[in-house]
Amino acid sequence: GDSVTQKEGLVTLTEGLPVMLNCTYQTIYSNAFLFWYVHYLNESPRLLLKSSTDNKRTEHQGFHATLHKSSSSFHLQKSSAQLSDSALYYCALSEMLSGSFNKLTFGAGTRLAVCP
Amino acid sequence: DMKVTQMPRYLIKRMGENVLLECGQDMSHETMYWYRQDPGLGLQLIYISYDVDSNSEGDIPKGYRVSRKKREHFSLILDSAKTNQTSVYFCASRTGNSDYTFGSGTRLLVI
Repeated sequence: GDSVTQKEGLVTLTEGLPVMLNCTYQTIYSNAFLFWYVHYLNESPRLLLKSSTDNKRTEHQGFHATLHKSSSSFHLQKSSAQLSDSALYYCALSEMLSGSFNKLTFGAGTRLAVCP
Repeated sequence: DMKVTQMPRYLIKRMGENVLLECGQDMSHETMYWYRQDPGLGLQLIYISYDVDSNSEGDIPKGYRVSRKKREHFSLILDSAKTNQTSVYFCASRTGNSDYTFGSGTRLLVI
């Protein structure tokens, strides 16, 4: 079945440094969509960005990611970390079936802690 | 304001007790989900509901059952709760190719 791997459980950064959270995946579907969700403490997980297009950069709220099907990767990046970026980040995978998304398969999550 | 509402937010139960977690949505979304969130495991899918009385097991259904008698409501039931069911439970909904809308979660402690 589908799987998503986020190897880093915790990433600690100093404010202003670049962010890179790793995500790799396995799927048999060629039309897979990859997602990044952000989960702030005491809030609902919410979509940060998504992509299904190979080698196309997707950006939202200062974050960006590029889907690379050749390496099955969808790493999340930001040029300069802010204190408010501290949260739990999930990479997730879904395929499109008959015009609608199938279930989301999540990675284990990476907690980003940004320090002053 | 479109949202998914989960009740209760916090719950403490004794081992062996029955547990009912409620989820409601005001968007008429056909598909609803129950996930549990555990450190190091991420969000794991328990059950999917494609519409009223149309439910399917997810990846970890053992120990859980669900009920969906109205499109707006999706309940998760734990018959005889176990300590390893201590977790944070999230409900989500979507329609078509829309993005998921998640609830705020229910934090369950089984002692």
